[in-house]
Amino acid sequence: EVQLVESGGGLVQPGRSLRLSCAASGFTFDDYAMHWVRQAPGKGLEWVSAISWNSGGIGYADSVKGRFTISRDNAKNSLYLQMNSLRAEDTAVYYCAKDLTYDSSGPGDYWGQGTLVTVSS
Amino acid sequence: QLVLTQSPSASASLGGSVKLTCTLSSGHSSYAIAWHQQQPEKGPRYLMKLNSDGSHSKGDGIPDRFSGSSSGAERYLTISSLQSEDEADYYCQTWGTGIRGVFGGGTKLTVL
Repeated sequence: EVQLVESGGGLVQPGRSLRLSCAASGFTFDDYAMHWVRQAPGKGLEWVSAISWNSGGIGYADSVKGRFTISRDNAKNSLYLQMNSLRAEDTAVYYCAKDLTYDSSGPGDYWGQGTLVTVSS
Repeated sequence: QLVLTQSPSASASLGGSVKLTCTLSSGHSSYAIAWHQQQPEKGPRYLMKLNSDGSHSKGDGIPDRFSGSSSGAERYLTISSLQSEDEADYYCQTWGTGIRGVFGGGTKLTVL
């Protein structure tokens, strides 16, 4: 059974940093690309970032480019999102999702339960 | 610019059927999309990948009541034999060229 478990969310002040983690199990992690998707309170889904199976391909939404960094550790079956210079508008539930493909050319076909990040003073 | 457009809301009767629409922006009518369901207070659930020719591949455990079809730049999700648990938000997603993702604004389905 595929499982994705996010962690690392919490309350953080504007301008500070936070690192999210996603622990994956139930599939061969290094065969698939992975995504981060967020959802602000009461809003729709927003794609944030994706990384290919071997970290050779990485992409970011314009809204987070230059502030967020996605990475993965295939030996630990883990996905990460380093979030710097956080803003109030980054407040959201952050989901990790497994891609259908190895190179991020597909949708997420499994999702985690999400972790809430609140940016507020 | 790659944009997906969805109606904000839809409604249909219990036991009936509904057809939700996702429209690709001009110049992108050949793109595949995915449909995701998000029930209240839950994370999203992948329903299917839908190609421009209407062929689709569903996620694990997705009932036959859920089907997809395509016409031009429009991608459809049809839910038949509506059940109360189908009341949810439905999002379409595409991924374009390069590493990026785009979601539609979502459709809130009410089962009457």
